Amino acid sequence: QVQLVESGGSTVQPGRSLRLSCAASAFTFSRHGMHWVRQAPGKGLEWVAVISYDGSDKYYADSVKGRFTISRDNSKNTLYLQMNSLRAEDTAIYYCAKDRLAVPIIDYWGQGTLVTVSS
Amino acid sequence: QSALTQPASVSGSPGQSITISCTGTSSDVGGYSYVSWYQQHPGKAPKLMIYEVSNRPSGVPDRFSGSKSGNTASLTISGLQAADEADYYCSSYTSSSTRVFGGGTKVTVL
Repeated sequence: QVQLVESGGSTVQPGRSLRLSCAASAFTFSRHGMHWVRQAPGKGLEWVAVISYDGSDKYYADSVKGRFTISRDNSKNTLYLQMNSLRAEDTAIYYCAKDRLAVPIIDYWGQGTLVTVSS
Repeated sequence: QSALTQPASVSGSPGQSITISCTGTSSDVGGYSYVSWYQQHPGKAPKLMIYEVSNRPSGVPDRFSGSKSGNTASLTISGLQAADEADYYCSSYTSSSTRVFGGGTKVTVL
């Protein structure tokens, strides 16, 4: 059974940084594109970023471009999201998610980790 | 990167059929077959219900079906059941290699 376990969420002050991690298991991590998707309290899903299976391609939502960096370590089966210059509007549950093999469709999600940006 | 347009809410009685629409542009929904639908119950992670417009993952009941016409995709739930009460989101691949979600539709079983 595919497992995606996020960690690193916490409460931080505006302007500070935070790094999220996602540990993957039960599938060949190095063959799948991976995403971060967030959901503000009581709101809908917002796509944040995607990284290709080998890390060579990365794409971001306009709302986080220049502040967030997605990366992966295929030797550790782990996905990361480095979040800098955090704002109150970045407060959300952050989900790690995987693409189907060679198809740009998210098929599995982690349970999420909560990031709260507040002074 | 504008969100896809979904109705905020749809309701139906048990046993009825409902359809949720998802409208985008030729740069996302209309341009690709990479449209998917997700079900999310309160406090839970989203679950894939339909992929590539009309395909169901194993384990998803055949009461769930998907289609697309032009820039609008649709999810139909037939034989509505109490367990179907949830939020539903559509998503599409885009011409910028990004992804976009709809605003979500709350399905209520009367």
